[in-house]
Amino acid sequence: ETGVTQTPRHLVMGMTNKKSLKCEQHLGHNAMYWYKQSAKKPLELMFVYSLEERVENNSVPSRFSPECPNSSHLFLHLHTLQPEDSALYLCASSQDNNRRGQGYTFGSGTRLTVV
Amino acid sequence: AQSVAQPEDQVNVAEGNPLTVKCTYSVSGNPYLFWYVQYPNRGLQFLLKYITGDNLVKGSYGFEAEFNKSQTSFHLKKPSALVSDSALYFCAVRDEDYGGSQGNLIFGKGTKLSVKP
Repeated sequence: ETGVTQTPRHLVMGMTNKKSLKCEQHLGHNAMYWYKQSAKKPLELMFVYSLEERVENNSVPSRFSPECPNSSHLFLHLHTLQPEDSALYLCASSQDNNRRGQGYTFGSGTRLTVV
Repeated sequence: AQSVAQPEDQVNVAEGNPLTVKCTYSVSGNPYLFWYVQYPNRGLQFLLKYITGDNLVKGSYGFEAEFNKSQTSFHLKKPSALVSDSALYFCAVRDEDYGGSQGNLIFGKGTKLSVKP
């Protein structure tokens, strides 16, 4: 275990459903991230939270809605998704988003399938 | 803007042979460079990083990488491959000089390493 836990591991949802992905870290990190991983494409940075405030939103469709209630928890709320949104969604954390020399610690991801 | 390229979708190596997974980068300032490995159905695991100092960086599981500033490369290497090294490998870069969106960790598309017995 890396210290970053994502639930659920797998999720199948219809296009009219509403679901949420959860990420939790107890590493004392202050920054958290959502990435989308699709086959044969670079990891896409979706959202960045630093000290519980959103500092980055890379033109993600509004059907994805993040929430960071505290520095240990990050959610990704999903509604009216499209089949092309099927992917592995990865959560990551780092001690401080401004420390360039740091890497990120990743969770195992949630495999999302939209039917 | 910063970017990273992994020119090979897949690398095939026989067990016991040396392996190289290629990575080139582009940044405006000085780069911070990382390698991550992803096993099936798992998240990315940190292997090694270059921040400053010695151009040859040693990391987990016997991997190493060499920073080459003139060629803007950071190739991942291992002297003797194992079947268990088969996985997806990601190179990533951060630009030393930028904050905000340009300071985030940017990943390549990944290279699948297949090591055959």
